[in-house]
Amino acid sequence: KNEVEQSPQNLTAQEGEFITINCSYSVGISALHWLQQHPGGGIVSLFMLSSGKKKHGRLIATINIQEKHSSLHITASHPRDSAVYICAVGLGKWGSQGNLIFGKGTKLSVKP
Amino acid sequence: GAGVSQSPSNKVTEKGKDVELRCDPISGHTALYWYRQSLGQGLEFLIYFQGNSAPDKSGLPSDRFSAERTGGSVSTLTIQRTQQEDSAVYLCASSLEGRGYGYTFGSGTRLTVV
Repeated sequence: KNEVEQSPQNLTAQEGEFITINCSYSVGISALHWLQQHPGGGIVSLFMLSSGKKKHGRLIATINIQEKHSSLHITASHPRDSAVYICAVGLGKWGSQGNLIFGKGTKLSVKP
Repeated sequence: GAGVSQSPSNKVTEKGKDVELRCDPISGHTALYWYRQSLGQGLEFLIYFQGNSAPDKSGLPSDRFSAERTGGSVSTLTIQRTQQEDSAVYLCASSLEGRGYGYTFGSGTRLTVV
């Protein structure tokens, strides 16, 4: 069993739809990251969180430490949101974030 | 610099040759990480540098892989006697240490071993 599991693996949505991507993990973590990777492009860090909820524009990330689960939501989705979204957990103490363990990613395609 | 810079962006090498990949982290970032992403695979941790501490090399796949970080800034990942399975995108990231600081990734080096 992978230490970081994402679902779904692939997601196709119509423009304007509300999207949810889920991430579950099985290890103790210092932080959870949501990353975005466009085709042929680099990786952009969207969120880093250790509790509660964060919002940036149309993106919302939540985490439940007790349940070891996080969700990434996209409101009013747009074709430019099409990308691979990767959940990653950071190990180690806050003073030393250590390495990341990555989920396999969710490939999102938003159709106009 | 303004972002994490990696060079070269693409590298094609013959099997058995050595390669060096370079990463220039954001100025002042004390932590530096190397990852790789093989075709169709997820990201894989390779090595982590934090300040003057001994690096965490636990992700290096074999002794053909090594990395150093000079002066707490630039890092070089070296792969000796390259094999075809080394073909991947090698990504570098840097961060400040401590609560609340996220990672900034470079654009990666696409290595192809022929």
